[in-house]
Amino acid sequence: GAVVSQHPSWVICKSGTSVKIECRSLDFQATTMFWYRQFPKQSLMLMATSNEGSKATYEQGVEKDKFLINHASLTLSTLTVTSAHPEDSSFYICSAREGPDSGELFFGEGSRLTVL
Amino acid sequence: GQNIDQPTEMTATEGAIVQINCTYQTSGFNGLFWYQQHAGEAPTFLSYNVLDGLEEKGRFSSFLSRSKGYSYLLLKELQMKDSASYLCAVRDSNYQLIWGAGTKLIIKP
Repeated sequence: GAVVSQHPSWVICKSGTSVKIECRSLDFQATTMFWYRQFPKQSLMLMATSNEGSKATYEQGVEKDKFLINHASLTLSTLTVTSAHPEDSSFYICSAREGPDSGELFFGEGSRLTVL
Repeated sequence: GQNIDQPTEMTATEGAIVQINCTYQTSGFNGLFWYQQHAGEAPTFLSYNVLDGLEEKGRFSSFLSRSKGYSYLLLKELQMKDSASYLCAVRDSNYQLIWGAGTKLIIKP
C-alpha cells in the first residue's frame, strides 16, 4: 500500500515554544490530508482537513490560530502547534488518501508531543 | 447527531473467535471501515464495506447491514498479536469519517 511518513516521531518541548510536525506521502500524491489528535485510551479526534493549495478546514473547537496547517504541495502537509502548553501534549497522527473516493486512509507513524 | 457505538473492551482466548460489533447513526452513508491500532502506533486499515454482506480477508471478516446500521468485525484463530484496539469508522454523506471510540481487545493464552 501507499506510504505516509510523519516526522518527528516524538518531540519534547518547553511550554510556550512552537513545534512543527511534517506529514509526507512518499509514493502518491495526496490532495487531501487529515490531522488527528489522540489522547491516551481515546479514539482519534479529527482536528482538520488539509487540502493542497487552500486553507485547511478545522473541526469545531479546534483553534486554527494555535494549530497552523500548511499543505503547500501534493506530498507535504505540516502541522505547527504554536505556543504549546502541557495540555497540548498528545499523539498527533496524519493520514492521506489517494483520491476523493478512495476507501483506504494511509496513516503516518504518529508524533508524540510532550510539552513540559 | 452522529454516533458510532462499539464495546469498550473485550477479552478472548488465543485460538478462539471473537466478534466486535459496531452500530452507527450517521448523516448518510458512504462506507464503513475497520482499523486496527496497537498501543502507541497509528491505525492500520483492515477492511472496507459499502454494500451489505460479508467481506472476508484471511483471518478477518467484516459484515455490514445498512438497513440496521450495523457492522461487525470477526477475528478467527486469534493470536496474541491481535491484542489491540479496533476502530470502527463510517463515512457520511459529506465523505467525512466519523470514528467510534474503539474496542480494546485483550487476548489471553
